[in-house]
Amino acid sequence: NAGVTQTPKFRVLKTGQSMTLLCAQDMNHEYMYWYRQDPGMGLRLIHYSVGEGTTAKGEVPDGYNVSRLKKQNFLLGLESAAPSQTSVYFCASTLRVEVPEAFFGQGTRLTVV
Amino acid sequence: GQQVMQIPQYQHVQEGEDFTTYCNSSTTLSNIQWYKQRPGGHPVFLIQLVKSGEVKKQKRLTFQFGEAKKNSSLHITATQTTDVGTYFCAAPRVNYQLIWGAGTKLIIKP
Repeated sequence: NAGVTQTPKFRVLKTGQSMTLLCAQDMNHEYMYWYRQDPGMGLRLIHYSVGEGTTAKGEVPDGYNVSRLKKQNFLLGLESAAPSQTSVYFCASTLRVEVPEAFFGQGTRLTVV
Repeated sequence: GQQVMQIPQYQHVQEGEDFTTYCNSSTTLSNIQWYKQRPGGHPVFLIQLVKSGEVKKQKRLTFQFGEAKKNSSLHITATQTTDVGTYFCAAPRVNYQLIWGAGTKLIIKP
């Protein structure tokens, strides 16, 4: 039982390049989330999904897109990376709203130069 | 918008001293969760508090939820090096989201 798996773990991008971060969970969780974590700022929600085929914006959605074509996968895309998107990205999932405990992936450290 | 304020941002302690972090909300919370993030790691769920005035213990960790369900605290007795990390509180808000405190970093002085 792997839990929540994120790929890749590290990436360096040049400004303007695009990339996709993949999050996969094997716990049959309904809700999935993408966060970014910057020093001293805690976790900020980028986008989230409450089920297969649904997505919604969080606090800081600009510059990112997401898709949830399959229940177990939640993809985060950066269409044109900017240095301000240098951060650590975490994916998380929860079973349902009555059981809100969040399980996190290991994180992706992204640097945009 | 709805926010959860967490203080302090950092706490330096000698090993064996106690540590406390506090979270405060301007609105009533349905529940509050606590997470620990080790350096270089990811947040890991510790506990959830639901009831007004609730107190829960996990070994040297004591979690409290205020009577008005607007504040919460985590207290660690006699800190050890394994306690090092950042402690976050998080509370649910509308639309299945969690609001996160900014975290309190526990640093053990050498």
